[in-house]
Amino acid sequence: GENVEQHPSTLSVQEGDSAVIKCTYSDSASNYFPWYKQELGKRPQLIIDIRSNVGEKKDQRIAVTLNKTAKHFSLHITETQPEDSAVYFCAASFQGGKLIFGQGTELSVKP
Amino acid sequence: DADVTQTPRNRITKTGKRIMLECSQTKGHDRMYWYRQDPGLGLRLIYYSFDVKDINKGEISDGYSVSRQAQAKFSLSLESAIPNQTALYFCATSDRIAGGFTDTQYFGPGTRLTVL
Repeated sequence: GENVEQHPSTLSVQEGDSAVIKCTYSDSASNYFPWYKQELGKRPQLIIDIRSNVGEKKDQRIAVTLNKTAKHFSLHITETQPEDSAVYFCAASFQGGKLIFGQGTELSVKP
Repeated sequence: DADVTQTPRNRITKTGKRIMLECSQTKGHDRMYWYRQDPGLGLRLIYYSFDVKDINKGEISDGYSVSRQAQAKFSLSLESAIPNQTALYFCATSDRIAGGFTDTQYFGPGTRLTVL
């Protein structure tokens, strides 16, 4: 079936440390993998995305890696700051162009 | 993102009532989506539409129906609301791009629905 698994469900780090969130997807034909950040009471907003024709993408402190063979992709946040505290969602595209989302990771960055 | 709006923002209703949630966008996108968010379950796709004449069921369409009145408007209806439909509902839009890739989805502010 069409499925995206996300781990961990909660993650607590000290300010300045790195955070890694991992996702796996079920369909080898998936070709688009966005990551969204949702702050408390707000809408999800795209922070970075990657397409299947590249293996890694970086934007300042945020990077995403994709392993198509293993069907998994990861979000890496370096030098975490308290304002990085939020819920993060991964997603993968499936047949017809729809997105299926992971269950979310609640990241807490402690000062 | 003010380009995607949802009404109402909050709604409390009773079991058995018919409810309509509305979504409008000024982004000029062809594609529109309805999601439901529950704690610990992420965002689950209810219905999606790639143009006015194209409506597709998502992961959890039972108990819901939709109408794409125009390119810019996509409504979600609960014909007979039940308590387990209490959730946060998001509308989203995306553009159509070449190459068979899916494009970025932009979310509305959400509608918090409570069914008593």
